[in-house]
Amino acid sequence: ENVLTQSPGTLSLSPGERATLSCRASQSISNNYLAWYQQKPGQVPRLLIYGASSRATGIPVRFSGSGSGTDFILTIGRLEPEDFAVYYCQQYGDSPYTFGQGTKLEIK
Amino acid sequence: QLQLQESGPGLVKPSETLSLTCTVSGGSISSGNYWWTWVRRPPGQRLEWIGIINYSGRTYYNPSLKSRVVMSVDTSENQFSLNLRSLTAADTAVYYCARAVQVTASSLIEDWGQGTLVTVSS
Repeated sequence: ENVLTQSPGTLSLSPGERATLSCRASQSISNNYLAWYQQKPGQVPRLLIYGASSRATGIPVRFSGSGSGTDFILTIGRLEPEDFAVYYCQQYGDSPYTFGQGTKLEIK
Repeated sequence: QLQLQESGPGLVKPSETLSLTCTVSGGSISSGNYWWTWVRRPPGQRLEWIGIINYSGRTYYNPSLKSRVVMSVDTSENQFSLNLRSLTAADTAVYYCARAVQVTASSLIEDWGQGTLVTVSS
């Protein structure tokens, strides 16, 4: 199976700063079918990005995704207080679909 | 607005079978564009995709669980279900049901249930 490794494990930033989260796959992801989800405590995961770079419906433009093959990036342009959460990447290119272990974005 | 709600026992004994149901409201489970998914997260571990089913009962399972998993769909009740047999403590997890939209030869999870904690213990 395709193992996804996210880095860093924890990212400490201040509101207004730019966040860069990484997701690296052990194998090339078919069709760049890589998604990013945000999860806050007590809430369900929320789809942010699909197809590596397409924003889901209603997602603010400060969220952007990039990358291809095995290396992907989620960038949050200017952090808002509500952006501090855990972020997961997931590949849905090949079964079994797999998830990264998550990056916790915390307030510095 | 689509809502998914898991239901089932919170505590199951080792070697027994877990049965969970996901009730879908605000949308039809019979929609041909969607697949219905189960995902779990064991304590301290990453999310694990269990498998997927469509309205006609076509399934794909994670090979790591395939020998123990059966999924089914009940279109009359707008529900889908997960049966996982021969439980061990390693199956303790929060179980999520979710809706995935078909994307070419794949599916993308868009909507999640709240999740239900299942503990396997005697």
